[in-house]
Amino acid sequence: KAGVTQTPRYLIKTRGQQVTLSCSPISGHRSVSWYQQTPGQGLQFLFEYFSETQRNKGNFPGRFSGRQFSNSRSEMNVSTLELGDSALYLCASSLGSYSGNTIYFGEGSWLTVV
Amino acid sequence: QQQVKQSPQSLIVQKGGIPIINCAYENTAFDYFPWYQQFPGKGPALLIAIRPDVSEKKEGRFTISFNKSAKQFSLHIMDSQPGDSATYFCAAQSITRGGSNYKLTFGKGTLLTVNP
Repeated sequence: KAGVTQTPRYLIKTRGQQVTLSCSPISGHRSVSWYQQTPGQGLQFLFEYFSETQRNKGNFPGRFSGRQFSNSRSEMNVSTLELGDSALYLCASSLGSYSGNTIYFGEGSWLTVV
Repeated sequence: QQQVKQSPQSLIVQKGGIPIINCAYENTAFDYFPWYQQFPGKGPALLIAIRPDVSEKKEGRFTISFNKSAKQFSLHIMDSQPGDSATYFCAAQSITRGGSNYKLTFGKGTLLTVNP
C-alpha cells in the first residue's frame, strides 16, 4: 500500500513569489492535514480537510491556504513568500471518520525562500 | 503558548541504555498522546500512543508512562540500539472534544543518539 506522497520534494522560490505543494493521501484516506516543520518552531499544524471541507485551521496568516479535491488529493498554497516560510511542509492523512484514526505523514516538501 | 513541553532537547546514550524522554501538557482537553519517530529526510512515523485511562503501555522495546494528575507522560526505550538514533516527538490530541480534534500538537522534539 503506497504511503502519503508529496510533490515536489525540494524547491527554491524567491521572496514575493507563490508556491503550490501537492499531496496524495493513502488510498482510502479522506482526511488530509498539513504541518510546517522548522528548527525553531518545530511541527505546527496548518489546516485539515475532510471530504473537500476544511475542519480545522492553525494560527497561520491568510497567505497560507489549502484545498482538497473530490479524490482526497490536496494542495496547499503560500502566496507572497517570505524568508521565514522556508521550512519542511508535511502532509498527513488518516481515514478521518474518527478523530482517533492514526495519522500517517509523508516525507515532506522542502521549501527554501531566497 | 507552548502547549506540549518536551525535554531534553538532545540525549546521548550507549547501546543497551534506556533513554527517557519527558513531555508535559497544559490543556486538559487532550486525551490522546502519540509518539512519533523521525529519521533525517523522512516524515514522522507513529511509534506508540496512549490514552489517559491507562498508566503504562508497552510495544516491543518502547514504553509510554502516563501520569494524568501531573499531566506528564514519558517514552522509555529499552535496550536501545544505534538504529534508534532519530528525533522523537511527543504529541497530544483532543479526540473526544470538538473543535480541534483532528489536530496534533507537538513537542519540540528530542534528538536521540545511541552510540555503538
